[in-house]
Amino acid sequence: DGGITQSPKYLFRKEGQNVTLSCEQNLNHDAMYWYRQDPGQGLRLIYYSHIVNDFQKGDIAEGYSVSREKKESFPLTVTSAQKNPTAFYLCASSHTGSGGYTFGSGTRLTVV
Amino acid sequence: AQSVTQLDSHVSVSEGTPVLLRCNYSSSYSPSLFWYVQHPNKGLQLLLKYTSAATLVKGINGFEAEFKKSETSFHLTKPSAHMSDAAEYFCVVSRTTSGTYKYIFGTGTRLKVLA
Repeated sequence: DGGITQSPKYLFRKEGQNVTLSCEQNLNHDAMYWYRQDPGQGLRLIYYSHIVNDFQKGDIAEGYSVSREKKESFPLTVTSAQKNPTAFYLCASSHTGSGGYTFGSGTRLTVV
Repeated sequence: AQSVTQLDSHVSVSEGTPVLLRCNYSSSYSPSLFWYVQHPNKGLQLLLKYTSAATLVKGINGFEAEFKKSETSFHLTKPSAHMSDAAEYFCVVSRTTSGTYKYIFGTGTRLKVLA
């Protein structure tokens, strides 16, 4: 079955450590997105990519980095520069130029 | 610029009674609008979408929404709530930037269903 897979489901990070969240899709979607979700704030866009080897900053990109080396994969790195990384992170994909995103099941990141 | 406002952060209904989740939008042109549902610690699932066809949109699990341009609203309704409907619901408007689509999310409405 086609879908979008995020891993791990839960992730713990120590202060000053970089961590990478995985997002893989087999839907042949061109576009992929990373969102951060905090209670009471809805979802905020971190980064997005509409084509391989190209990506754009979203509304809250500071402290994050991404790569898009393959159409299927869009990993997100939470760097030590992100001062408040504890949140639920959602990856999504879509066909470029159309509505209707498919979301992964999320990764909950906690700083310990 | 596009924006979306969900008027209630929490809604409680009794099982078997109607559900109304309110959403107003702002858009400089005819928008694409969506409702998504999120169960705890899960991703978002598309309930329904409006893309300038019929103004009454039917979705999954008995939900529907009506696009009212004069009121700039896109409220989500269901005639009879079920316990499994308890979740968080997001209203979304899609915006285009240089030919690409991005979502703008409302802050969510948490629906509680009482037995």
